Amino acid sequence: GNSVTQMEGPVTLSEEAFLTINCTYTATGYPSLFWYVQYPGEGLQLLLKATKADDKGSNKGFEATYRKETTSFHLEKGSVQVSDSAVYFCALGDSGSARQLTFGSGTQLTVLP
Amino acid sequence: NAGVTQTPKFQVLKTGQSMTLQCAQDMNHNSMYWYRQDPGMGLRLIYYSASEGTTDKGEVPNGYNVSRLNKREFSLRLESAAPSQTSVYFCASQGFPGQGDEQYFGPGTRLTVT
Repeated sequence: GNSVTQMEGPVTLSEEAFLTINCTYTATGYPSLFWYVQYPGEGLQLLLKATKADDKGSNKGFEATYRKETTSFHLEKGSVQVSDSAVYFCALGDSGSARQLTFGSGTQLTVLP
Repeated sequence: NAGVTQTPKFQVLKTGQSMTLQCAQDMNHNSMYWYRQDPGMGLRLIYYSASEGTTDKGEVPNGYNVSRLNKREFSLRLESAAPSQTSVYFCASQGFPGQGDEQYFGPGTRLTVT
């Protein structure tokens, strides 16, 4: 079955530091890949997505590239801000008829001023 | 548009009590989902409804029932609550195939069973 393995946290960075959160997946077919963000006390929000190999998703300074050869979708940001403190989830979208999402366990990011 | 709404936001139950969590979406989405979120475990799918009139079990359906009341509403029922059901519950909706596979989430219901 499908699975997503995500870098364990928590991750603590200083403001303006470079961020990488690793995500690898196992899937059959050609899934879509997503990064969701969850701010304290809120639901999940879609941060970015990529639907096919070599696609790059980007939003709010965050980027991730769909790498089929390494089955990875690592999240990066060049300069984090305090407001980026949140939990980040990598997810895989089923390419079959069910279209379910499989989530990683989440990575807690704290950015210190 | 309100997106996905959930009620209540917080609930405390005693073991054996029952309750229904409500979810509604105003995006004309076909598919709806119920997840639970526990510390360190990400989100786990409880039940989903691929379209109005259909429901299917997800990864952790035991102890729950669902109803897809109409296209907008998808409720989750706990018939006899247990402490193991203490969790944060999220409802999500998803558009038609071809509209994108992302899901849109509600704000969650924090449930404590004592």
